[in-house]
Amino acid sequence: KNQVEQSPQSLIILEGKNCTLQCNYTVSPFSNLRWYKQDTGRGPVSLTIMTFSENTKSNGRYTATLDADTKQSSLHITASQLSDSASYICVVSCILTGGGNKLTFGTGTQLKVEL
Amino acid sequence: GAGVSQTPSNKVTEKGKYVELRCDPISGHTALYWYRQSLGQGPEFLIYFQGTGAADDSGLPNDRFFAVRPEGSVSTLKIQRTERGDSAVYLCASSVEGGQPQHFGDGTRLSIL
Repeated sequence: KNQVEQSPQSLIILEGKNCTLQCNYTVSPFSNLRWYKQDTGRGPVSLTIMTFSENTKSNGRYTATLDADTKQSSLHITASQLSDSASYICVVSCILTGGGNKLTFGTGTQLKVEL
Repeated sequence: GAGVSQTPSNKVTEKGKYVELRCDPISGHTALYWYRQSLGQGPEFLIYFQGTGAADDSGLPNDRFFAVRPEGSVSTLKIQRTERGDSAVYLCASSVEGGQPQHFGDGTRLSIL
C-alpha cells in the first residue's frame, strides 16, 4: 500500500530559528515528491517539487532534499517567521493509468512559530 | 477569479440527506481532481477527470459517492444518503493537463449531523 509518513507530528519553534521536517514514503511507481503548506481553512499550496533525479530544491527560505534510494525527504525552513505557522504536508505522486498524477499525502507536520 | 473555486465553503446537513459540492477549476485546466480530508489527516484521492471523463475513480469509497464533469469544466461531487462519517473537507484541484502541478481550492467543509 502506498504510504507517506511524516515526523514530527507537531513542532513549536521560536521566531528566527531553523527547523527540519522529515518524510518517508513507500509510493510506487514514483513520479515526483512535493512539499505543500496548508494554512488552516485553506487548500494546500505547493512549495517545492522534485523528480527522481533531483537531490535538493530551494524556494526562498524553504529547502527540500530527496534521497530516492532510501525514499526519504526533508524540508528545511530557515529563519522562521510567524507566518510559517501552518501544516506542512509531504506529497508523493505516481502516474495514473489515465495520465494524471495520483497524489498520496502524508498526515502533515503542524508547525507553530512563536515570539 | 484566478484560482480554483469551491462552493459552498461550508455545508451542514442531516444524516441521510443528499448533497452536491461544486468545483470551478482554473480556466483552461483539463485535469480535475477531488480529494477528501478528514480532521488531522492529509487529503485522500477520490477521483480524477481528464476532460469530461472520469479517468480514475478508484478513490471513491462506495456507490453513494458520484462525480460528474459534463462539459469538461465545472465538476460536481454528489453524495447520497449521507452518513456522519462523510464529514470532512472536500478539496478540488485542477491542472493544465494530467501530470502537471495541481492547484487546490480552499475546500468545502461538510458536516453531517
